Amino acid sequence: RKEVEQDPGPFNVPEGATVAFNCTYSNSASQSFFWYRQDCRKEPKLLMSVYSSGNEDGRFTAQLNRASQYISLLIRDSKLSDSATYLCVVKGNTDKLIFGTGTRLQVFP
Amino acid sequence: DAGITQSPRHKVTETGTPVTLRCHQTENHRYMYWYRQDPGHGLRLIHYSYGVKDTDKGEVSDGYSVSRSKTEDFLLTLESATSSQTSVYFCAISESRVGQYFGPGTRLTVL
Repeated sequence: RKEVEQDPGPFNVPEGATVAFNCTYSNSASQSFFWYRQDCRKEPKLLMSVYSSGNEDGRFTAQLNRASQYISLLIRDSKLSDSATYLCVVKGNTDKLIFGTGTRLQVFP
Repeated sequence: DAGITQSPRHKVTETGTPVTLRCHQTENHRYMYWYRQDPGHGLRLIHYSYGVKDTDKGEVSDGYSVSRSKTEDFLLTLESATSSQTSVYFCAISESRVGQYFGPGTRLTVL
């Protein structure tokens, strides 16, 4: 079983739609959680950290459920520019990150 | 954007040749990492450094070595490149627990 699992997608949604991605992790001792965004043939970029109480950044909302060991990312009012691959990332008690393989989002007009 | 550069950005080489990739940062971050990214595997850690001359292995370190003689530079060496090392290589840096910042990547093809 992979340490971090994501649905690869693709998720094809129209502009303005709300879309949600989930991610599960296997190590219950994991301490930090992140969502990264990666555009085609580009480097991953930190989108947001995920806090236990949930957090929001504009149209993006991230939530963490430690009991069930999953993380979610909700994107509201999708834009064409949101088209990318979204990587779920988990860190244990070291500085090593464990990356999911990503969920691809395609927003169409 | 974090000040991270990688060189070269693209390289084609032949099996059995040595290859060195360079990562350079201007952020004075303590930690530096080398990853490779392949379809179906996501990003996998090759080696990392937690200070000058302090390095450790990641999950896919076989066939790779690293060196960090200055805070700003982290070198990844493939002693004898193989076709299985064809990949996209990313360097990353971090200073604290707020996540890592990635360089633009190096596309390496081993023929």
